[in-house]
Amino acid sequence: EVQLVESGGGLVKPGGSLRLSCAASGFAFNDYWMHWVRQAPGKGLEWVARINSDETIIDYADSVKGRFTISRSNAENTLFLQMDSLRAEDTAVFYCAKDSSSRLAVAYNWFDSWGQGSLVTVSS
Amino acid sequence: ETILTQSPGTLSLSPGERVTLSCRASQSVRNDYLAWYQQKRGQAPRLLIFGASNRATGIPARFSGSGSGTDFTLTISRLEPEDFALYHCQQYGNAPLSFGGGTKVEIK
Repeated sequence: EVQLVESGGGLVKPGGSLRLSCAASGFAFNDYWMHWVRQAPGKGLEWVARINSDETIIDYADSVKGRFTISRSNAENTLFLQMDSLRAEDTAVFYCAKDSSSRLAVAYNWFDSWGQGSLVTVSS
Repeated sequence: ETILTQSPGTLSLSPGERVTLSCRASQSVRNDYLAWYQQKRGQAPRLLIFGASNRATGIPARFSGSGSGTDFTLTISRLEPEDFALYHCQQYGNAPLSFGGGTKVEIK
């Protein structure tokens, strides 16, 4: 059974940093594209970033480009999101999500498994 | 960016009823690459449909997706108690990926 467990969320002041982790199990983590998706309180879902299996292809939403960094450790079956220069509008539940694609250069960009989410609150 | 508009915002229905949810795109979605997710309160989204009409593994046959271009529909043929939830559509045919605002299906 696929399991994705996020951690690292919390309360941070504007301009601060936070690092989210997503521990994966139940599938060949090192084969799959992975994504971060967020959901602000009372709002819809927003795609944040994606990374392929060997970290050679990385993409970001314009809203986080230059401030967030996605990475992964295939040895530890873990996905990361380093978030710097945080703003109030970054307040959201952050989900890690598994792409259906195990193709190195092609993401399918739909998500067949999701974690339970980690709440990030940016407030002074 | 492709804007997805889901309507209605909320539906109040009774178990056993048929449900039709709409997702309209601001521009044609390439290859009809559209997915639907179900999200219950306090839980992660669950994939229902991909490629506009393909049911994901383990999804009951009462869920079906249809549509093409800019107009897509999720139909639940007969509402079960566990189907009362928030439903999201997502397009992945055009960059960047985008989601609709969601339709809440609540008990009448």
